[in-house]
Amino acid sequence: SQLAEENSWALSVHEGESVTVNCSYKTSITALQWYRQKSGKGPAQLILIRSNEREKRNGRLRATLDTSSQSSSLSITATRCEDTAVYFCATDILGYKLTFGTGTSLLVDP
Amino acid sequence: NSKVIQTPRYLVKGQGQKAKMRCIPEKGHPVVFWYQQNKNNEFKFLINFQNQEVLQQIDMTEKRFSAECPSNSPCSLEIQSSEAGDSALYLCASSLSRVQDTQYFGPGTRLLVL
Repeated sequence: SQLAEENSWALSVHEGESVTVNCSYKTSITALQWYRQKSGKGPAQLILIRSNEREKRNGRLRATLDTSSQSSSLSITATRCEDTAVYFCATDILGYKLTFGTGTSLLVDP
Repeated sequence: NSKVIQTPRYLVKGQGQKAKMRCIPEKGHPVVFWYQQNKNNEFKFLINFQNQEVLQQIDMTEKRFSAECPSNSPCSLEIQSSEAGDSALYLCASSLSRVQDTQYFGPGTRLLVL
């Protein structure tokens, strides 16, 4: 079973709208990272949030972490067509590898 | 933007053939990771290195897979006898540190085993 998983398989929004991707994980973590993978490319990190942090921002992106419920969210405001991608959460458990969820596919329509 | 280079981008092999792919990590990154991403977007960690030394690898890697990161040469991942189930995107990532740090991924090598 997955140690990290996103809660939606796919989302679709119109350009300019906001969207939130949720993630749940099953073990204690040292950090959680959000990655985005566009078609034909490798994943690219968006935000790294450590276990002692509750919120982290990066431009239009905001990540939250709730260690008590073992969940995280990534919100994107003012979405753009170029935000279309698969979004993954990845947990850093032992410090030597990332454990990825299976991703949420986001489609931003013009 | 990641500067990890992976070659080739596409690789087609018959069952039982060797498949070899290469990775040049970002300059100055001592830690290198290999992951396998299947068609369902599931990632599987294969192996990682710090400089030339193996840090961790999974059992699968120990059997048919071999990898190395020699100094002053690209890192490589080789499958000795490819199987249909090895068809996947093989991703290389590099990092400054192996703990709580950003991993910078290359575009991957897509392997198809016929």
